[in-house]
Amino acid sequence: GAGVSQSPSNKVTEKGKDVELRCDPISGHTALYWYRQSLGQGLEFLIYFQGNSAPDKSGLPSDRFSAERTGGSVSTLTIQRTQQEDSAVYLCASSLYGSYNEQFFGPGTRLTVL
Amino acid sequence: AQSVTQLDSQVPVFEEAPVELRCNYSSSVSVYLFWYVQYPNQGLQLLLKYLSGSTLVKGINGFEAEFNKSQTSFHLRKPSVHISDTAEYFCAVSDYNTGTASKLTFGTGTRLQVTL
Repeated sequence: GAGVSQSPSNKVTEKGKDVELRCDPISGHTALYWYRQSLGQGLEFLIYFQGNSAPDKSGLPSDRFSAERTGGSVSTLTIQRTQQEDSAVYLCASSLYGSYNEQFFGPGTRLTVL
Repeated sequence: AQSVTQLDSQVPVFEEAPVELRCNYSSSVSVYLFWYVQYPNQGLQLLLKYLSGSTLVKGINGFEAEFNKSQTSFHLRKPSVHISDTAEYFCAVSDYNTGTASKLTFGTGTRLQVTL
């Protein structure tokens, strides 16, 4: 079956512009997670959604970052007024309720802020 | 708060030699433990996981790991590596909870470089 997909695979933007990154989780997975992978910070948790519960936003680095999950499926991560330090690979993962938190990852979106 | 330490940033090894990648964790609660592998320009792939029960866990591609609660370690091993094992390996922990989603906390990764 299809895995987690993310788009675009690469995004180059100018400092100060807004960007949207998309994640399509595995069909039927109830939880969706966003992580960021950068050279200086390693793999960092950003946010996760589970079902109809309020998302855990505890990892978002600033109020320029936001995410939504529509219809319990697709998610969009939005970064407003991008800065050079936002350059990283943004990874999305999904998991199934009751699966002991086994998360399946997408290929990532590489964001470069010039 | 949880943390994961991978002491070795890089591990060079010859093909067909054994390898051990070290992982230690810190947590005030019980945890699940995972090893993920990342090949160049790809996402993370689950190698194996420890949930409960037997402390020796076998995963894909011939890898295994042993959970040691007293030493809070979860070291990854393979008896004979192949060139294709060259990749970045990440150890991760999450809260022990069968149903509720929970974030993964990752180590900084170990680069395994296999040469002939």
